[in-house]
Amino acid sequence: DTGVSQDPRHKITKRGQNVTFRCDPISEHNRLYWYRQTLGQGPEFLTYFQNEAQLEKSRLLSDRFSAERPKGSFSTLEIQRTEQGDSAMYLCASSSRLGKNLYEQYFGPGTRLTVT
Amino acid sequence: SQQGEEDPQALSIQEGENATMNCSYKTSINNLQWYRQNSGRGLVHLILIRSNEREKHSGRLRVTLDTSKKSSSLLITASRAADTASYFCATDEVSNYQLIWGAGTKLIIKP
Repeated sequence: DTGVSQDPRHKITKRGQNVTFRCDPISEHNRLYWYRQTLGQGPEFLTYFQNEAQLEKSRLLSDRFSAERPKGSFSTLEIQRTEQGDSAMYLCASSSRLGKNLYEQYFGPGTRLTVT
Repeated sequence: SQQGEEDPQALSIQEGENATMNCSYKTSINNLQWYRQNSGRGLVHLILIRSNEREKHSGRLRVTLDTSKKSSSLLITASRAADTASYFCATDEVSNYQLIWGAGTKLIIKP
């Protein structure tokens, strides 16, 4: 257990429905990341927050995807009008801006999304 | 996009043997990291090597970095069944927070 939690762990939804995932990072970490991972591949960067500011978004993040981190603590990732291609594992990670483990990212267990 | 490449894609060895995985990348980096992922689980950070370092050790792990060849290797000595997992390298080619990941090496340790 890295200290990063994600909810839910699994989500099955029908195409066209909206889904929302939550990530609770390690409390003293001010950096939070969302990644998407499909079977047999490494994670793909989606977006990054420093405190409550969303500083970077991948081109992978279409306008159906939105992420928030309203108080600089937990974050949510919403996918609207889900498509079958959205089926993947969605990973959240956090890291600290300071200290010797500056670049080390701590990952949550992921939310596995299946769109039917 | 994924710019790192791990080699081999899969590796199966007997318990007690050493396992070596390689990673190549395309542009200049500040750091290279190795992570482990057990089946269906999140990723766990193993080791970070900075661009000005050539070799680093952590327990049974040994990482090397050759910036002239843009490659790194991860050696796991005296492998154990619990080492069965996928191993990924990640580089900060774009910025110091956006990591670029390879497709991973799937390591199977046979008892």
